[in-house]
Amino acid sequence: GAVVSQHPSWVICKSGTSVKIECRSLDFQATTMFWYRQFPKQSLMLMATSNEGSKATYEQGVEKDKFLINHASLTLSTLTVTSAHPEDSSFYICSARGTRRPDTQYFGPGTRLTVL
Amino acid sequence: QKEVEQDPGPLSVPEGAIVSLNCTYSNSAFQYFMWYRQYSRKGPELLMYTYSSGNKEDGRFTAQVDKSSKYISLFIRDSQPSDSATYLCAMSPKNAGNMLTFGGGTRLMVKP
Repeated sequence: GAVVSQHPSWVICKSGTSVKIECRSLDFQATTMFWYRQFPKQSLMLMATSNEGSKATYEQGVEKDKFLINHASLTLSTLTVTSAHPEDSSFYICSARGTRRPDTQYFGPGTRLTVL
Repeated sequence: QKEVEQDPGPLSVPEGAIVSLNCTYSNSAFQYFMWYRQYSRKGPELLMYTYSSGNKEDGRFTAQVDKSSKYISLFIRDSQPSDSATYLCAMSPKNAGNMLTFGGGTRLMVKP
């Protein structure tokens, strides 16, 4: 149980375009979903937290107009990187928190974004 | 000083060795402790979840928590090359709701 999927697993796009990443909890309802980014050989950096039906809460330094987060249902959250630039190239990972173990998170497999 | 300190490694051991991975923390409010394993270019996978001080065993893995010393460990017995990965400790206060605080991760290499 507690499986989280992400789509796509990798994406290459041109500078200036927008990219949408989906995060789904497959076998549980995720009351909260989290979005992280991770640079090579570094730990996870929390970008934002989203609760179903509410606006996302962004961490300091993360541009909310650039990283649009939608959490429309208890099993789906999306992250849209708008007007992507090469510096946005990174590994984006979502996680989800359910009610069974509310103090932990289950992670998706990640999405590697490369902006040319 | 970071809230959670973890030696980045890399830690290189021969196959079959006992591996000890550790984290120290400064926030006495942390009550829940987790270990995640992350293979290269993959998302972290939850390995162990503990609440109280003491030991918790699951197969070849043993998680140990010492709240008085603010120190947690993950032991891997009979290590295998497939255990080669980065191990992240994570922790949260009780009723934190959302926030996990991660260590920086320790990269482990198990050589055949």
